[in-house]
Amino acid sequence: KNEVEQSPQNLTAQEGEFITINCSYSVGISALHWLQQHPGGGIVSLFMLSSGKKKHGRLIATINIQEKHSSLHITASHPRDSAVYICAVPSGGSNYKLTFGKGTLLTVNP
Amino acid sequence: SQTIHQWPATLVQPVGSPLSLECTVEGTSNPNLYWYRQAAGRGLQLLFYSVGIGQISSEVPQNLSASRPQDRQFILSSKKLLLSDSGFYLCAWSVRGVGLGEQYFGPGTRLTVT
Repeated sequence: KNEVEQSPQNLTAQEGEFITINCSYSVGISALHWLQQHPGGGIVSLFMLSSGKKKHGRLIATINIQEKHSSLHITASHPRDSAVYICAVPSGGSNYKLTFGKGTLLTVNP
Repeated sequence: SQTIHQWPATLVQPVGSPLSLECTVEGTSNPNLYWYRQAAGRGLQLLFYSVGIGQISSEVPQNLSASRPQDRQFILSSKKLLLSDSGFYLCAWSVRGVGLGEQYFGPGTRLTVT
């Protein structure tokens, strides 16, 4: 079974700061997911990546398959980025099951 | 475009009562469908997934069950709720045949069992 560790658990930043959230996993994977959970509970898929880097607006996700590590970066952070960010990886032994990290609670203050 | 609906949005039920949560997807055909639960302070836990009508796989032994009566309809049920069933229930879909492809989540149902 794949184990997922996210860090930090909580992160407070000032508006405009550069944010980095890290995710490490224990078993080799085909792709990693980054999700965003809004304060109301809704979850949005941000990225699914299997190598290199992906960028969407101010969000950048990178993955190092050899090191079993991924990072999510937010440039020029804004209070509306405040949310829980979750990474997820295949559990292993199933084509349909993801193992989720416990999430990083990001608070961006104005 | 694809849309996923869940209802109700919130629910308060007494212990021992039945449960029925419904999820429907619009704008796509033959999706993989998933039910997740997020208990307070814990990560997402996969409860059930389905790759087709009537095909349900259970991931966690519990007093919950799932059914898929139509291609884009997924129902989560219980005959008798337990206090431990409280949590945030999310339905999700992904493209069939892609396995662990990108998943798209519904708005969720917040269930409180009293």
